[in-house]
Amino acid sequence: TAGITQAPTSQILAAGRSMTLRCTQDMRHNAMYWYRQDLGLGLRLIHYSNTAGTTGKGEVPDGYSVSRANTDDFPLTLASAVPSQTSVYFCASSCVDEQFFGPGTRLTVL
Amino acid sequence: GDSVTQMEGPVTLSEEAFLTINCTYTATGYPSLFWYVQYPGEGLQLLLKATKADDKGSNKGFEATYRKETTSFHLEKGSVQVSDSAVYFCALSESNKLIFGTGTLLAVQP
Repeated sequence: TAGITQAPTSQILAAGRSMTLRCTQDMRHNAMYWYRQDLGLGLRLIHYSNTAGTTGKGEVPDGYSVSRANTDDFPLTLASAVPSQTSVYFCASSCVDEQFFGPGTRLTVL
Repeated sequence: GDSVTQMEGPVTLSEEAFLTINCTYTATGYPSLFWYVQYPGEGLQLLLKATKADDKGSNKGFEATYRKETTSFHLEKGSVQVSDSAVYFCALSESNKLIFGTGTLLAVQP
């Protein structure tokens, strides 16, 4: 079982460009999440989705958008990247109260 | 709002030493509490959890007890191994979302 997959593994992006980080789960979990991980700040929630067709804002949503067209996929889009969005991005899904994490995408915005 | 505070690292120990990583929380309700572990280059994995006061979570020799009176969930292990080297995150659940501490890096030397 793959669990949660994320793509790409890493990316270098020019400031001002757009990018979509992909996340797919095969566990049929209703809830999915996007976090960013920065040194000294832990993981901070960007956006979440409790079920297909619904999304919500987390702690740091500005500059990011998400969609949840189906249960399995939860892409994260940066419309116009800025250097402060350099981070490691983790997607997660949950069953009851346990969250399962993907391997992460390392994004560098120059 | 709810929050989690955990001891700053890095924590450096010799193999077979006793480990304690402190975690305290602030919450208006009665959240579930978690410890997640992140090995180098990987996503987070659930290590253990406790869902109510006085519950003890345990896994792989690690333990943590949900202490409502001290609002704490300290992680302990009696004898660490080099393979335990990782970043450890304390977290609480709030409305189906997780709030993380900033993480504690543990380095175990042979």
